[in-house]
Amino acid sequence: EAGVAQSPRYKIIEKRQSVAFWCNPISGHATLYWYQQILGQGPKLLIQFQNNGVVDDSQLPKDRFSAERLKGVDSTLKIQPAKLEDSAVYLCASSLEGRYYGYTFGSGTRLTVV
Amino acid sequence: AQKVTQAQTEISVVEKEDVTLDCVYETRDTTYYLFWYKQPPSGELVFLIRRNSFDEQNEISGRYSWNFQKSTSSFNFTITASQVVDSAVYFCALVNRDDKIIFGKGTRLHILP
Repeated sequence: EAGVAQSPRYKIIEKRQSVAFWCNPISGHATLYWYQQILGQGPKLLIQFQNNGVVDDSQLPKDRFSAERLKGVDSTLKIQPAKLEDSAVYLCASSLEGRYYGYTFGSGTRLTVV
Repeated sequence: AQKVTQAQTEISVVEKEDVTLDCVYETRDTTYYLFWYKQPPSGELVFLIRRNSFDEQNEISGRYSWNFQKSTSSFNFTITASQVVDSAVYFCALVNRDDKIIFGKGTRLHILP
């Protein structure tokens, strides 16, 4: 079974630029998550999708962050404009009733804003 | 409110010592799930164990063991006879019925040779 694919692996941008991350979940996984992990901290949930609907985006800074999951499969997370404090690893995860069957995390995208 | 507290930010032990990582959680739900993940330097999150709120039985898997106590809202993780390969950041996580995962801040474990 293929894992959760994320790209790019690394990205360096200047502040005020925009950036987009892509996630391809495991086939058949209805739930998709985006997490932000700042160095030295635990992953923080940004947004949770169930198929192509949003379950929770309460911690997504909507003035600069946006996410979509077209057709309930792939997802993109965008930051526009980026700030220095957005430097972090952005993790994507997917699951099918993960509380029973577990969650699969991608390798993440490490974003550095300079 | 749902919350996971890992009070130990960083622990260092000498190889072959036993070490316990603490996890305390808060939730109003009666049905919930607890997980432990390992994050090695490579960055991926590796699943270690899952427990539901109705199963307080302790579990042992090789050198790893977990102690779940609902009375104290704790789900502690012990590594017996630690090895250098155990060096990593360990996260405790709480999951509710909506499959929302709340992570603790993690404990960085250093196993010294």
